[in-house]
Amino acid sequence: NAGVTQTPKFQVLKTGQSMTLQCAQDMNHEYMSWYRQDPGMGLRLIHYSVGAGITDQGEVPNGYNVSRSTTEDFPLRLLSAAPSQTSVYFCASSYSYEGTEAFFGQGTRLTVV
Amino acid sequence: GNSVTQMEGPVTLSEEAFLTINCTYTATGYPSLFWYVQYPGEGLQLLLKATKADDKGSNKGFEATYRKETTSFHLEKGSVQVSDSAVYFCALSAGGTSYGKLTFGQGTILTVHP
Repeated sequence: NAGVTQTPKFQVLKTGQSMTLQCAQDMNHEYMSWYRQDPGMGLRLIHYSVGAGITDQGEVPNGYNVSRSTTEDFPLRLLSAAPSQTSVYFCASSYSYEGTEAFFGQGTRLTVV
Repeated sequence: GNSVTQMEGPVTLSEEAFLTINCTYTATGYPSLFWYVQYPGEGLQLLLKATKADDKGSNKGFEATYRKETTSFHLEKGSVQVSDSAVYFCALSAGGTSYGKLTFGQGTILTVHP
């Protein structure tokens, strides 16, 4: 059982470049989300989705786009990378009921130079 | 809005010492509360949870009790091991249509020495 799979694990971008971080889950979860982890700030929600075709913004959405065409996949797009987007990115998925456990991918460490 | 405040770290302990990591929260309604753990180089995984007041979550010797009167969910373990070295995150889910949406504390780095 793969769980939540993120690719790539590491990435270096130049300022202004674009890229897509991939996330896939095989647990048929309705809810998927993207977080960024920065030192001393915990994890902050970027975007989330409650099902295929439905997405919404989280706490720090600027500079990122998402789409959800299938239940399984939830890619995160960086439109024009900036050094402030240097971070570790985590994708998570869960069912949508009280007390549900979120399952996390192993993360993508992104450096923008 | 919702928020979670965690004890600032890092925390360094000797093996078999008692551990407490404080966590307090602000939320409307009746959130579910979680502790997640992140081992080096890995993603987060659920350690324990509680969904209503006075519930106690427990796992691997760790415990936390949902205290609505003090809006707290402190993590405790009676005797830590070197293998407990990790980053610990307190989090809440506010419910309603946002059951999967988590608000995290800052994280506490725990290092346990032999």
